[in-house]
Amino acid sequence: AQRVTQPEKLLSVFKGAPVELKCNYSYSGSPELFWYVQYSRQRLQLLLRHISRESIKGFTADLNKGETSFHLKKPFAQEEDSAMYYCALQTSYDKVIFGPGTSLSVIP
Amino acid sequence: GAGVSQSPSNKVTEKGKDVELRCDPISGHTALYWYRQSLGQGLEFLIYFQGNSAPDKSGLPSDRFSAERTGGSVSTLTIQRTQQEDSAVYLCASSPGAGPYEQYFGPGTRLTVT
Repeated sequence: AQRVTQPEKLLSVFKGAPVELKCNYSYSGSPELFWYVQYSRQRLQLLLRHISRESIKGFTADLNKGETSFHLKKPFAQEEDSAMYYCALQTSYDKVIFGPGTSLSVIP
Repeated sequence: GAGVSQSPSNKVTEKGKDVELRCDPISGHTALYWYRQSLGQGLEFLIYFQGNSAPDKSGLPSDRFSAERTGGSVSTLTIQRTQQEDSAVYLCASSPGAGPYEQYFGPGTRLTVT
């Protein structure tokens, strides 16, 4: 079955501390993985996708097929990073499955 | 340019009534997605359109839910005989086509069934 899990519902870190939001997936095909973010009172928007191998706002994510993970990392958290983060898996049939989300709170 | 728009932004309806939710995608985007976002539940995939066709309707929760897309543009999600458990935010997203493209989300329609 296709599934995305994000084990932490809530994550609090201090400003300047490293942050890692975990994402694991199950899918038998070749996955396309994304991280989306929703800031307070804003629309859901793309943060980054593994196919681009880019760093956005200091965030990076590496696809680990052996561990079926796509964890999101940032070395130094900022207050403006406080938001809801969703990991998403796109299947070869273009169905997109979102994880339950992790609410990140960065403490000043 | 204009982003994805959805109407109405809020809808309060009585249990048993039918509701229609509308999505206007970004012009030229051929793929369109509907999701349901319930409190604490994340995003639940409902249906996906490529053009006017819906290759995957597996996410529709029951036969009370239906969706259509006309002219490869506007889409309508209809919920018949609404139930209280249908209360949620319904999100629409569009993307340039099939494949690993960024999805552009609308602001959502908050549906409350009383």
